[in-house]
Amino acid sequence: DAKTTQPPSMDCAEGRAANLPCNHSTISGNEYVYWYRQIHSQGPQYIIHGLKNNETNEMASLIITEDRKSSTLILPHATLRDTAVYYCIVRVGLAGANNLFFGTGTRLTVIP
Amino acid sequence: GAVVSQHPSRVICKSGTSVKIECRSLDFQATTMFWYRQFPKQSLMLMATSNEGSKATYEQGVEKDKFLINHASLTLSTLTVTSAHPEDSSFYICSASGGGLFNEQFFGPGTRLTVL
Repeated sequence: DAKTTQPPSMDCAEGRAANLPCNHSTISGNEYVYWYRQIHSQGPQYIIHGLKNNETNEMASLIITEDRKSSTLILPHATLRDTAVYYCIVRVGLAGANNLFFGTGTRLTVIP
Repeated sequence: GAVVSQHPSRVICKSGTSVKIECRSLDFQATTMFWYRQFPKQSLMLMATSNEGSKATYEQGVEKDKFLINHASLTLSTLTVTSAHPEDSSFYICSASGGGLFNEQFFGPGTRLTVL
């Protein structure tokens, strides 16, 4: 699976949008971009995933560049409960290849 | 949504004893379960992958005789840390996958093991 790079930490004011970048310049054509987050001392929580189109769900939006070499996770109105480590993972999405490699992630701190 | 539970959530044991951690998929059948370990301030590291009814596949550097994994049913996998030592103290997390197009993994809440 392709390697990803993320900034180690970011701060965001409560109520503002949090934009978390991820570089995945070696992503292959059949690899999806996944985002998970881990709140302190809990298991990871799935947020969103996409292949090449932008995606939105009730938690976040995922913007993938046209060349697919980078993406941005957007939390539109960050709350204190969004403070967590966010992991960007690329992997082949289809059945049979489902290992997840967790890099170091970005520690997002939402500030009151 | 898919729910995965772990039991116990926290365990303290003496050095040399064995500890069993259970991972259950509560509302779906998990064809594959994964076990991760996370040391303080570090990321999750995959320890092993298990498919129901077959032997687990361990990642390089993980001792299969020390970390016994049993995936006897489609809703239950167990990890037994045998002869635990203080260096085995860690946060153990399981995840379960029920197949499907994207083979999504759903994670349990984790088990904090402290070996004295």
